[in-house]
Amino acid sequence: QVQLQESGPGLVKPSGTLSLTCAVSGDSISSSNWWSWVRQPPGKGLEWIGEIELSGRSNHNPSLRSRVIISVDTSNNQFSLTLISVTAADTALYYCARAKTPFAPADFWGQGTRVAVSS
Amino acid sequence: QSALTQPASVYGSPGQSITLSCTGTSNDVGGYNYVSWYQQHPGKAPKLMIYHVSNRPSGVSDRFSGSKSGNTASLTISGLQAEDEADYYCSSFFRSYKGSSTVYVFGTGTKVTVL
Repeated sequence: QVQLQESGPGLVKPSGTLSLTCAVSGDSISSSNWWSWVRQPPGKGLEWIGEIELSGRSNHNPSLRSRVIISVDTSNNQFSLTLISVTAADTALYYCARAKTPFAPADFWGQGTRVAVSS
Repeated sequence: QSALTQPASVYGSPGQSITLSCTGTSNDVGGYNYVSWYQQHPGKAPKLMIYHVSNRPSGVSDRFSGSKSGNTASLTISGLQAEDEADYYCSSFFRSYKGSSTVYVFGTGTKVTVL
């Protein structure tokens, strides 16, 4: 069974950098799958952040593209999200997930990790 | 690109059938057969219920079915059960005119209440 687990600081200061990691088990990060990040602000809907696959090809939401970096760590079977210059609007529950192809629905999701942007 | 439009709430009684709608444009829902539906219970991660308009992943009840007509996709839940009470989100592949922008978009979400 594929499992994903997000980790990272729960609080980030405004204008700072948000860094999250997603540990994958039950599947290899080196497989042909795409590894994605989705977030959900409190009481609101889902927003796709972006995705990456082994070779480093990535896709990002244009609304966040200039602030987002997604990377893969094959040695630890995990992938990461970095979001720079954060504001209160970036406060959300952040999920990592797996999809079979790019821009595709995710079939396995992590439990999510809450990140608050506040001074 | 904008979020796909879903009704905020849908209500139904146990045993009834309900249909949730998801309206987009020819750049997403109408242009591609890549509509998916997720179920999200409070405090839980989304669960994929339907992909490619009408396909069910293994393990998903056949009470859930999907369809599409023009720019609107639909999710029908038959034989409504208490456990179906949750938020439902549609999603789709979006490509802008001339392909300058490609993104995965979600709907605004529908809260299903079982009366």
